[in-house]
Amino acid sequence: EVQLVESGGVVVQPGGSLRLSCAASGFTFDDYTMHWVRQAPGKGLEWVSLISWDGGSTYYADSVKGRFTISRDNSKNSLYLQMNSLRTEDTALYYCAKDNTADSREFDYWGQGTLVTVSS
Amino acid sequence: DIQMTQSPSSLSASVGDRVTITCRASQSISSYLNWYQQKPGKAPKLLIYAASSLQSGVPSRFSGSGSGTDFTLTISSLQPEDFATYYCQQSYSTLVTFGQGTKLEIK
Repeated sequence: EVQLVESGGVVVQPGGSLRLSCAASGFTFDDYTMHWVRQAPGKGLEWVSLISWDGGSTYYADSVKGRFTISRDNSKNSLYLQMNSLRTEDTALYYCAKDNTADSREFDYWGQGTLVTVSS
Repeated sequence: DIQMTQSPSSLSASVGDRVTITCRASQSISSYLNWYQQKPGKAPKLLIYAASSLQSGVPSRFSGSGSGTDFTLTISSLQPEDFATYYCQQSYSTLVTFGQGTKLEIK
């Protein structure tokens, strides 16, 4: 059974930093591009970032480029999101998601999300 | 970035109704269009990928169509468990974008 379990969400002050983690199981992790998608309270879905199977390619939404860094450790079946210079508008539930097929950018499995609150 | 616009933003319907939700892309995205269902407090669920392919395990009352810039999600006969928010998403561009969502409510 595919499982994605996010962790690391907390309350942080504006300008602060945070690292989210996503532990994957039930599939061959290093076969798939992985993504972070967020959802602000009561709002829609916003794609944040992707990382290729080997970590060689990364992409970011304009809203987080230069502040967030996605990474992965295939030996630990884990995905990460380093979040710096946090803003109140980064407050959201952060999901990790897996590609349906290689490089498809169709998200067939999602975690339960981890809540990041940026507030003073 | 490619903008995705869904209509309507909300919709009231009854069990047994046939419902159609539309999604329009700001440029041609071929058939790189996916649909998700999200229920309150839950992660989104992939329903349709590549515009018209039904994801494994999804009931056949869900169908998708379209190509280029205009797409539709149809639920042929609404069931109680279908009341949720639906999102389209383009996967044509590496910078993925979602529509704003359509909330389907019980009439």
